[in-house]
Amino acid sequence: GAVVSQHPSRVICKSGTSVKIECRSLDFQATTMFWYRQFPKQSLMLMATSNEGSKATYEQGVEKDKFLINHASLTLSTLTVTSAHPEDSSFYICSARDTSHPPYEQYFGPGTRLTVT
Amino acid sequence: DAKTTQPPSMDCAEGRAANLPCNHSTISGNEYVYWYRQIHSQGPQYIIHGLKNNETNEMASLIITEDRKSSTLILPHATLRDTAVYYCIVSPPYNNNDMRFGAGTRLTVKP
Repeated sequence: GAVVSQHPSRVICKSGTSVKIECRSLDFQATTMFWYRQFPKQSLMLMATSNEGSKATYEQGVEKDKFLINHASLTLSTLTVTSAHPEDSSFYICSARDTSHPPYEQYFGPGTRLTVT
Repeated sequence: DAKTTQPPSMDCAEGRAANLPCNHSTISGNEYVYWYRQIHSQGPQYIIHGLKNNETNEMASLIITEDRKSSTLILPHATLRDTAVYYCIVSPPYNNNDMRFGAGTRLTVKP
């Protein structure tokens, strides 16, 4: 099946700094990618939908100025957590649906564990 | 909100079949049933999906009731590596909609 990668796999940053997470579709093009956040022992929560060449769509309650999303190409979306705080520590997961090959499955990246100290 | 209901946890003996139920009573006619699993600290892994017919692949079988209001994922010979949280999701195919995750079922396979 298709592969979605994320980089870095884990990152530790200091409070007040910004951190960028990359999501790549390795063998297919994705006009739309999704960003999820998962806190310990909880399910995945959709944060935003990343659209290639246009603005991202954020879920209610997600601060667009804090979680900057850029989808500059058909294979790359980035999530930048700005002015990170300890409460932003979480597991961030991206996904993409391969809409060029049936059955158009949604593939998930391995996740990025962010720890803000 | 997720459109599915799953038991929060289940146990299964190693080597036995694991049957994971899912209720999706409000499923629409064009929505498929997808199953994913998430092993600790990893991204979700696709398992199988179906519309109304039973499906089988190398990982599992999916049994969907005739009224499509519920389904069962079957892992025929569970191993310790199948211990994970299993998510049942209903979603229309062939579009760019995201997958909405419910709480899932935490399956523990015991030796």
